[in-house]
Amino acid sequence: DGGITQSPKYLFRKEGQNVTLSCEQNLNHDAMYWYRQDPGQGLRLIYYSQIVNDFQKGDIAEGYSVSREKKESFPLTVTSAQKNPTAFYLCASARQGRSPLHFGNGTRLTVT
Amino acid sequence: GQQVMQIPQYQHVQEGEDFTTYCNSSTTLSNIQWYKQRPGGHPVFLIQLVKSGEVKKQKRLTFQFGEAKKNSSLHITATQTTDVGTYFCAGGTGNTPLVFGKGTRLSVIA
Repeated sequence: DGGITQSPKYLFRKEGQNVTLSCEQNLNHDAMYWYRQDPGQGLRLIYYSQIVNDFQKGDIAEGYSVSREKKESFPLTVTSAQKNPTAFYLCASARQGRSPLHFGNGTRLTVT
Repeated sequence: GQQVMQIPQYQHVQEGEDFTTYCNSSTTLSNIQWYKQRPGGHPVFLIQLVKSGEVKKQKRLTFQFGEAKKNSSLHITATQTTDVGTYFCAGGTGNTPLVFGKGTRLSVIA
């Protein structure tokens, strides 16, 4: 079964620690995206990548970093510089830029 | 930058009533996509519209893309409890990533 996998589902961290969220897809999609979802805020784009070894900042990239060393993988690191990291993080992939997005199940990050 | 506004933010309906959510873009779109997110779940793609004035139907759901390609609507006829969730529109221009509206959360009272 093809799909997009995010792990873990829930993640708890202490303030000041960096944390990396995993996102893997076996759909052979070129494009991958990271979104943050807060109550009443919809989906806000953090970073996206349309090809391996290249990625672009989205609307709210400050305090986050990504890498795209393999087509299948697009991990997101939430750094200690992110002021409000507690949120629901969604990874998505698409065949290409204009194609429909396939979302993973999300990771709910809580930082205390 | 491009903005996509979606109204209403919340809608509570009795089962069997109709429901409509509206999406407006500050710029002309090349395409618009609609997604549904069930409570506790992730967004799931419903449909994509690309042509001016396009209307598409999926069972009780009707999607429209405005003539100017700056607005869109999703209408659900005779809502059911399975329709509960948040409906998002997302507008695309060129090769830039989709911009999502804030969504309309639908509650259906049985």
